[in-house]
Amino acid sequence: GAVVSQHPSWVICKSGTSVKIECRSLDFQATTMFWYRQFPKQSLMLMATSNEGSKATYEQGVEKDKFLINHASLTLSTLTVTSAHPEDSSFYICSARSGTGLNEQFFGPGTRLTVL
Amino acid sequence: ILNVEQSPQSLHVQEGDSTNFTCSFPSSNFYALHWYRWETAKSPEALFVMTLNGDEKKKGRISATLNTKEGYSYLYIKGSQPEDSATYLCAFEPGSARQLTFGSGTQLTVLP
Repeated sequence: GAVVSQHPSWVICKSGTSVKIECRSLDFQATTMFWYRQFPKQSLMLMATSNEGSKATYEQGVEKDKFLINHASLTLSTLTVTSAHPEDSSFYICSARSGTGLNEQFFGPGTRLTVL
Repeated sequence: ILNVEQSPQSLHVQEGDSTNFTCSFPSSNFYALHWYRWETAKSPEALFVMTLNGDEKKKGRISATLNTKEGYSYLYIKGSQPEDSATYLCAFEPGSARQLTFGSGTQLTVLP
């Protein structure tokens, strides 16, 4: 149980385009989803926390107009990188929490974004 | 900014060796310490969620201990196997914010 999917697994886009990444909890309802970014040889950095039906909470330094997060249902959250630039190239990974038990977060496999 | 550090950064061991690595985290405002195992091209897999000082958890050949007073946790792997090769991440969860701050991981390679 507790499977989280993420799509796409990799994407290459041109500078100036927008890219949408989907995160789905497949076998549980996720009251909260998290979006992380990982730079090479660094740890996972939390970008934002989203609760179903409400606006996402962004971490300091993360532009909310650049990284649009929507958590429209208890099983789906999306991250849209708007007007992507080469510096947005990174590894993005989501996690989901059911809100019960020990607060485990279950992760998707991540998305490698390359902006040309 | 919360400081979560893992050591060593990478580790190579021979099959059959036992190994351990360290996660250090803030000793105040503690809620939980999480351990994950992350194989290449897969999702990070939750290993343990530890909440009590002195707690010890075990899953097969992998075990972990927790010292919240001094702010460290050890992860042990007994009789390492090549399939144990992965990056092991720890993450600190404070009581004031139910979010995780990750260390940069220990990359374990088990040589056959």
